[in-house]
Amino acid sequence: DAGVIQSPRHEVTEMGQEVTLRCKPISGHDYLFWYRQTMMRGLELLIYFNNNVPIDDSGMPEDRFSAKMPNASFSTLKIQPSEPRDSAVYFCASSLVPTTGGWRDTEAFFGQGTRLTVV
Amino acid sequence: RKEVEQDPGPFNVPEGATVAFNCTYSNSASQSFFWYRQDCRKEPKLLMSVYSSGNEDGRFTAQLNRASQYISLLIRDSKLSDSATYLCVVNILTTDAGNNRKLIWGLGTSLAVNP
Repeated sequence: DAGVIQSPRHEVTEMGQEVTLRCKPISGHDYLFWYRQTMMRGLELLIYFNNNVPIDDSGMPEDRFSAKMPNASFSTLKIQPSEPRDSAVYFCASSLVPTTGGWRDTEAFFGQGTRLTVV
Repeated sequence: RKEVEQDPGPFNVPEGATVAFNCTYSNSASQSFFWYRQDCRKEPKLLMSVYSSGNEDGRFTAQLNRASQYISLLIRDSKLSDSATYLCVVNILTTDAGNNRKLIWGLGTSLAVNP
């Protein structure tokens, strides 16, 4: 398995532009998470999906952020319009649905991240 | 109070030293616990799960104290390659109707092992 695949790896954009980040989770994983990581705030959960349905988007900073998961193998995180304070590393992660509560079921596998710089 | 709290460090230790990190969590409904490791400019990766009875994986030992709501990670005989940030992660049951769970992350503890 190739693992979680994110694209692009790096993105530099001007303030006000639309940015779209992409993620392909591990096949068979029913949970997909979008995180943002900065030095000051660490890893913040933005939104997560279960079986393609958004479950909790309370971490999405504001209406400029939106996420979709049109099918089990693809998700996008969009920022429109982008601002310099959105500069961060954005990670996508996926995990199995916990079944019997086995510890390994809830291990989250991360993509390599998208390093976003908004100038 | 943050849901998961860690001492950010940095911990600077010589090779061969033993170092311990603690992590406290506030949600008593927390169900499972993990330590992840994150190298500089890389993604987090699972280091080990934390079992109620405590568990060991080579030089690494994890402990859970549910009564006091903390978990710990002990690294013996530190190697240069152990230099990284160690993230404490707690899996909690969410309050929505779907019996869903989510991972809550600490900010991480930075470890630098020096020659």
